[in-house]
Amino acid sequence: QQQVKQSPQSLIVQKGGIPIINCAYENTAFDYFPWYQQFPGKGPALLIAIRPDVSEKKEGRFTISFNKSAKQFSLHIMDSQPGDSATYFCAASDLSTNAGKSTFGDGTTLTVKP
Amino acid sequence: DAEITQSPRHKITETGRQVTLACHQTWNHNNMFWYRQDLGHGLRLIHYSYGVHDTNKGEVSDGYSVSRSNTEDLPLTLESAASSQTSVYFCASSQQGRGYEQYFGPGTRLTVT
Repeated sequence: QQQVKQSPQSLIVQKGGIPIINCAYENTAFDYFPWYQQFPGKGPALLIAIRPDVSEKKEGRFTISFNKSAKQFSLHIMDSQPGDSATYFCAASDLSTNAGKSTFGDGTTLTVKP
Repeated sequence: DAEITQSPRHKITETGRQVTLACHQTWNHNNMFWYRQDLGHGLRLIHYSYGVHDTNKGEVSDGYSVSRSNTEDLPLTLESAASSQTSVYFCASSQQGRGYEQYFGPGTRLTVT
């Protein structure tokens, strides 16, 4: 079964809009949730990450919101720009037993129109 | 600057041939991973290693093998390539104890005809 479900599969917004990408997980042992950004022809790159002891984390225009009781987390991109057009992956890790592994969502392809 | 490289970047091979994809990192990371990326499936873990001589199977390991003889390299071998293995392959590495922060290579696009 898929342990991390990501939605939507694709998303189109106008410049300045606030795209939101959602992820849900099943394994309550997950305790670290990174997001990766991937541009065409490149490998994914770590963007921002959150641990479940906080409900929100901001880095520049990128914000992660975390809802532990619902087992959901989401990425918001404020004042989105065409340069943010990329594929975004959420992931989850269980640091206690699988310190080296992350389980990835299927990805969201974001297009920001000028 | 430290980096992670993959070679070749593009490869076309025939069904049944053995293929080896190279991955080399200069961060001195203990953890290394191989993923395949297919439309609609995101990143799926093939094999991973936590150090020299350590290898572990991921969720889609059938038909693939790895070996870790040094810290820097984790080559991925397709024993007998199949059309279902046409994909983009990514290698990643991470620092021991910080596996959740993975650094990815540029990828190898493999086509099996």
